[in-house]
Amino acid sequence: DIQMTQSPSSLSASVGDRVTFTCRASETISIYLNWYQQKPGKAPKLLIYAASTLQSGVPSRFSGSGSGTDFTLTISSLQPEDFATYYCQQSYSSPRTFGPGTKVDVK
Amino acid sequence: QLQLQESGPGLVKTSETLSLICSVSGGSFTGGSDYWGWIRQAPGKGLEWIGNIFYNGMTYYNPSLQSRVTLSIDASKSQFSLTLSSVTAADTAIYFCARDSSTAYGGRSFDFWGQGTLVTVSS
Repeated sequence: DIQMTQSPSSLSASVGDRVTFTCRASETISIYLNWYQQKPGKAPKLLIYAASTLQSGVPSRFSGSGSGTDFTLTISSLQPEDFATYYCQQSYSSPRTFGPGTKVDVK
Repeated sequence: QLQLQESGPGLVKTSETLSLICSVSGGSFTGGSDYWGWIRQAPGKGLEWIGNIFYNGMTYYNPSLQSRVTLSIDASKSQFSLTLSSVTAADTAIYFCARDSSTAYGGRSFDFWGQGTLVTVSS
C-alpha cells in the first residue's frame, strides 16, 4: 500500500494568513493526488484533484502543487470558513489511501 | 446536483453483520466511468477507503477489509450497498458513500459524498 503522510498535523493561523501544508507519498504517484477539506460533523469536500486542478466552485485562494512524492496545498489568504481539517489522498493505485490530515485552527 | 444518502442501522451487535445502503439521486448512476465507493472514519480519526463498485458489479476492495466486505449494486433503484461481517468495536465509525469519478488528467477523485451515517458496534 502507498502510505501518505502530512505535515504539520496541526497549525494555528489567523484570518488573512497564507498557509501551506504538505503531503508526501511513500512512492511516486505522479500527479494522482487529491485534497479534501472536512469540517466537524460534515463529509469531506473535494478541493483539488490531479495535484493542482481546482474543483468547480472552490475559491481561487486554494492552490495545489507537486508531483511524484511531494505535494503542497496553499491557502493564499485564510478565511473564517477555512478552519477545518485537510486530507490528501492518492488515486495512483489500489487501495486508495488518505493522509492523516492537517487541522487548521484559530491562533 | 448529484446527491447521495446513506441509510441503515445505527447500532450493530459485536460479531454480527453491518449493512448499509447508499441511494443516489439527481444524476446518472450507470453512465460513464463512475465508480461508487464507501469510506469510513472512526471517531476522531482519519479516512479509510473500504471499496468501490462499478454499475456492472465489478468491485475493488481494501485488502485490509476484503475478507469481511461485500459491495453490491441495484441499478434499477440507483442504490449500492455495503455489508461488513463479523464486526467488532473497531468497526465503529461514520460510514460515507461517495462517487468516484475519473478526472480529465487521469486518476480519480471522490467528488460527491453522502452526509455519512454513524454506526456503533456494541455487545
